[in-house]
Amino acid sequence: DTAVSQTPKYLVTQMGNDKSIKCEQNLGHDTMYWYKQDSKKFLKIMFSYNNKELIINETVPNRFSPKSPDKAHLNLHINSLELGDSAVYFCASSQEGYEASTDTQYFGPGTRLTVL
Amino acid sequence: QKEVEQNSGPLSVPEGAIASLNCTYSDRGSQSFFWYRQYSGKSPELIMFIYSNGDKEDGRFTAQLNKASQYVSLLIRDSQPSDSATYLCAVKESGAGSYQLTFGKGTKLSVIP
Repeated sequence: DTAVSQTPKYLVTQMGNDKSIKCEQNLGHDTMYWYKQDSKKFLKIMFSYNNKELIINETVPNRFSPKSPDKAHLNLHINSLELGDSAVYFCASSQEGYEASTDTQYFGPGTRLTVL
Repeated sequence: QKEVEQNSGPLSVPEGAIASLNCTYSDRGSQSFFWYRQYSGKSPELIMFIYSNGDKEDGRFTAQLNKASQYVSLLIRDSQPSDSATYLCAVKESGAGSYQLTFGKGTKLSVIP
C-alpha cells in the first residue's frame, strides 16, 4: 500500500525521444507536485496541481507538460529529450491547509531519467 | 526570489555525538519549516516540521526556529551511522493558496563509527 508511487523507476532513452512518467497517490491528497533533482542533489519544483488545476509552473522548457486526469494522478510528459534533462524526477503530494501538519509533502520513490 | 541556504558539508561527527545542521532563509513570509532526510538513491522523507519559534523535540531530533534571525536548525543527539544521509531544509508560506516548498541544497552528514 504505497502512498506515492511512480513509474517507471528507471528510464534510459535517446536524445530527441518523447517519454512519460506516471505518478499516483492513494493518500487522498488534493495537491501534487513534480520536482527535478539534478546531479548536485538540488531539489527544484517544476509544477504543482491542486484538484487537477495547475497552480505552480516554474520556469521549465515547454517540452515538459504535466497532465492531471484526476486529483490522484499527475503525469509528466517530456518531448524532444535533451542531455540536460537527465536527472531524478520526484512526484510528491500534500493536503494543503492552514496547518504545517497538513502541508507536509510526501515523496514518491523517484524516476531516474538518463538521456544518451 | 526565495532562497534557503544550507552548508553543503560534508559534516562528519563521531557516533554518539550531537550533529547540528543549520539553515537560513530569505523570505520573512515563510511560516512553515521542514526537515527532510534523503539517503543516497532514495526519496526525501520527512523528519520534522516546525512553525513556532523555539524548540520542538521528537526522539533524538530537535528542531529549533528563530524567525527574527530567519534561522532554523536540526540537532541530532546520540548520532548513529544510520543517520548518515543528506538533510534538506525546506520552507513555505502557510495558509490557503500557498503551495510552494523551497528547498535548500542539503547538508551531507556522515556519522563515523
